[in-house]
Amino acid sequence: AQSVAQPEDQVNVAEGNPLTVKCTYSVSGNPYLFWYVQYPNRGLQFLLKYITGDNLVKGSYGFEAEFNKSQTSFHLKKPSALVSDSALYFCAVRDENSGGYQKVTFGTGTKLQVIP
Amino acid sequence: GAVVSQHPSWVICKSGTSVKIECRSLDFQATTMFWYRQFPKQSLMLMATSNEGSKATYEQGVEKDKFLINHASLTLSTLTVTSAHPEDSSFYICSAPPGQGLGQPQHFGDGTRLSIL
Repeated sequence: AQSVAQPEDQVNVAEGNPLTVKCTYSVSGNPYLFWYVQYPNRGLQFLLKYITGDNLVKGSYGFEAEFNKSQTSFHLKKPSALVSDSALYFCAVRDENSGGYQKVTFGTGTKLQVIP
Repeated sequence: GAVVSQHPSWVICKSGTSVKIECRSLDFQATTMFWYRQFPKQSLMLMATSNEGSKATYEQGVEKDKFLINHASLTLSTLTVTSAHPEDSSFYICSAPPGQGLGQPQHFGDGTRLSIL
């Protein structure tokens, strides 16, 4: 079984400060990890993913995420937050042992509020 | 690339009406599409997996006869909410991966806000 946890319902950060949105996962095999962003009344937009290779993954809009196998974490980061980054962020995981089935499991979402 | 289009974006209708939502992959073929329901300030709840040319796979607790899914072509899946009632009001989102690999991210439509009066 695969699961993902986002421990923070909301993260507040001042504009220009670094931001971190936390995500931990649980899988039986190797994980495929994703971050998505959702703006109000919109679908989700893909930000970045980790499959294999470098633990630091760079994605869209200056976001990056660090894969930590020992801590089973995949935290989303950005060096300098923008007000326009304010949105709902979802972490998602897919287990390599899912038998080729492409269903992912989403976290509960973290609302990021960047304060001007 | 990998654009998913969802229509309509907003529906308001009377209780007892059936509502059809379309999800199209515009520049890729999707043998699989996913339908989600999202309640205010909550995460996505997977309702069903739509499989081209075969029956949809529904998640536990989702009424098959209430939420009819048809995936008649490689670019179109539809969700029909039959005899909709106010408790069916929600934000419905579809998605599709543009390939078969497990590392493929899903691409999402912009969602449909369904309001049943």
